[in-house]
Amino acid sequence: TQLLEQSPQFLSIQEGENLTVYCNSSSVFSSLQWYRQEPGEGPVLLVTVVTGGEVKKLKRLTFQFGDARKDSSLHITAAQPGDTGLYLCAGPSGSARQLTFGSGTQLTVLP
Amino acid sequence: KAGVTQTPRYLIKTRGQQVTLSCSPISGHRSVSWYQQTPGQGLQFLFEYFSETQRNKGNFPGRFSGRQFSNSRSEMNVSTLELGDSALYLCASSWGTGPHEQFFGPGTRLTVL
Repeated sequence: TQLLEQSPQFLSIQEGENLTVYCNSSSVFSSLQWYRQEPGEGPVLLVTVVTGGEVKKLKRLTFQFGDARKDSSLHITAAQPGDTGLYLCAGPSGSARQLTFGSGTQLTVLP
Repeated sequence: KAGVTQTPRYLIKTRGQQVTLSCSPISGHRSVSWYQQTPGQGLQFLFEYFSETQRNKGNFPGRFSGRQFSNSRSEMNVSTLELGDSALYLCASSWGTGPHEQFFGPGTRLTVL
């Protein structure tokens, strides 16, 4: 079973600060997806990274896929309260028939 | 385009009862997956249906079952409820089967007393 470990598990920061969350595995993934889940809602896809070393930007969010495709990071610049939520990474399982989700990073941005 | 809808949003049941949850996917999506989300275990895959056939199944007991109708709407059933079944049950739809982008509904919060 391919596992995805996310760190930190919880993160509380002040508005305007920068932060990075990580998604790591001992296995190679063909791609990784990042989702954000807000209270009372289901997760919403933010980005999919496919190529080793790939960097994708979504406004103040920067996603990077590791060169070996075993890890990924999400960097948020000048965090805002609207960034608060549970950030989940997900990748195809060993059989590539379904998605495996990481345990998530709960981010709270205080005004 | 309407999103994924789930009913009911909240449900309270007692141990031993059974429950049926409903999910309507995005129009045109033929794949529906179900997930269980708990604070301790995170988001865990239950099963996926595509064109009325179960294509994938997670590591859950047989008390958890589902089905999909010809209009792609799906239902999930849990029989003989246990306290540990208390969770947020999320339905997600996708255009194809497999690990594609998932469009999630808001979930059904099930509490078992």
